[in-house]
Amino acid sequence: EIVLTQSPDTLSLSPGERATLSCRASQSVSNYLAWYQQKPGQAPRLLIYDANKRATGIPARFSGSGSGTDFTLIISSLEPEDFAVYYCQQRSNWPPQFTFGPGTKVEI
Amino acid sequence: QVQLQESGPGLVKPSQTLSLSCTVSGGSISSGGYYWSWVRQYPGKGLEWIGYIFYTGSTYYTPSLKSRITISLDTSKNQFSLKLTSVTAADTAIYYCAREGGWSGVGFDPWGQGTLVTVSS
Repeated sequence: EIVLTQSPDTLSLSPGERATLSCRASQSVSNYLAWYQQKPGQAPRLLIYDANKRATGIPARFSGSGSGTDFTLIISSLEPEDFAVYYCQQRSNWPPQFTFGPGTKVEI
Repeated sequence: QVQLQESGPGLVKPSQTLSLSCTVSGGSISSGGYYWSWVRQYPGKGLEWIGYIFYTGSTYYTPSLKSRITISLDTSKNQFSLKLTSVTAADTAIYYCAREGGWSGVGFDPWGQGTLVTVSS
C-alpha cells in the first residue's frame, strides 16, 4: 500500500500570506495525485486533480505541482475562507486503489 | 451536474450489518469510466477510502475491510450501495459516497454530503 505523508501538520498564517503544503508518497504515484479542502461539517472539496490541474470553479490562487513522490499545494494569497484542512490523495496504477494523506490544517 | 446523496440508518447495533445507498442524480451511473466509491471519516479524523465499484460492476475493497464489505450497483435506480457486516464501535464514522474520476483524471468529485453512522447498542 502506498502511504502518503503531509507536512506540516499545522500551518499558522495570516490572510494575504502564501501557504505551501507538502505531500510525499512512499513510492512513485506518477501524477496520480489530488488535493482537497475540507471545512468543519462539510464534505471534502476537490481542488487539484492529476497533480497540477485545477478542478472546475477553483480559484487561480490554488496551484499544484510535483510528480513521482513529492508534491506541493500552494495557496498564493490566503483568503479568510481558505482556513481549513487540506488532504492529498493518490490513486495507484493497477488495480486502482486510493489512499489519503493525514491532512494539514491551515489556521489563522 | 452530477450530485450524490447517501441514505440509510444512522444507528446500527454491534455485530449487525451497516447498509447505505448512494443515489446519483444529474447523470447515469452506467456512463463513463468512473469509480463509484465509499469513503469514511472518523469524527475529527482523516479520510479512509473503503472501496469502489466500477461502472462495469467490478469492485475493489481496501484490504483491511475486504472480508466484511460488499459494494453493489443498481442501474435501474441509478444507485450504488454499501454493506458492511459484523460492525463494531470502530466502524462509527461519517460515510461519504463519491465519484472518482477514472479515465477523466484522479480525484473524487462530486461527494455526497455524508451520513454519520453510529454503532451502538
